[in-house]
Amino acid sequence: GQQLNQSPQSMFIQEGEDVSMNCTSSSIFNTWLWYKQDPGEGPVLLIALYKAGELTSNGRLTAQFGITRKDSFLNISASIPSDVGIYFCAGISGGYQKVTFGTGTKLQVIP
Amino acid sequence: EPEVTQTPSHQVTQMGQEVILRCVPISNHLYFYWYRQILGQKVEFLVSFYNNEISEKSEIFDDQFSVERPDGSNFTLKIRSTKLEDSAMYFCASSPAGREGLYNEQFFGPGTRLTVL
Repeated sequence: GQQLNQSPQSMFIQEGEDVSMNCTSSSIFNTWLWYKQDPGEGPVLLIALYKAGELTSNGRLTAQFGITRKDSFLNISASIPSDVGIYFCAGISGGYQKVTFGTGTKLQVIP
Repeated sequence: EPEVTQTPSHQVTQMGQEVILRCVPISNHLYFYWYRQILGQKVEFLVSFYNNEISEKSEIFDDQFSVERPDGSNFTLKIRSTKLEDSAMYFCASSPAGREGLYNEQFFGPGTRLTVL
């Protein structure tokens, strides 16, 4: 099946620092998504990307859809304690319903 | 703000027993989904449901699994004979229809933790 690999697996950063995380795949996706999951809750959509090369921002978050359609990155600027959680990239390749999730990046912010 | 709800929050069952996990999707949504997340792992797609039938399913969704929309508000996932490896968090999600060719955001419920002993 399709695999999405995220790096790093986990990271500790100081409050105020910028964060960058990546997602790569051996398969092409035509939509890339970034989700955040807080403990004990379901994933919440942060950003959706629809075109290769697209760069989209949502507040302090910026994500890009790689030109090859096999990768994406998410940047968080000026991190705050509530940014703590697990960030999942996800992709859609065929129908517009089945979402394939990545392995996740666990973010810890030190106040 | 409308949200997806799921019951129970935690279900414990014996191996071989049947379980039904329940979801109430957001009321004007038309697509419904089940995902599962084994502890510490990624979220995995199980099935999508539209217009009272399965529209897509993964290889995980075998004959032991079934879904139903028994009335206008509930959406259920049944596991006929649970196995130890079915222990996971099960998330229901729903999305509106309308934007052909674009992702229609799936809103996730808080999940049901299933523990099979």
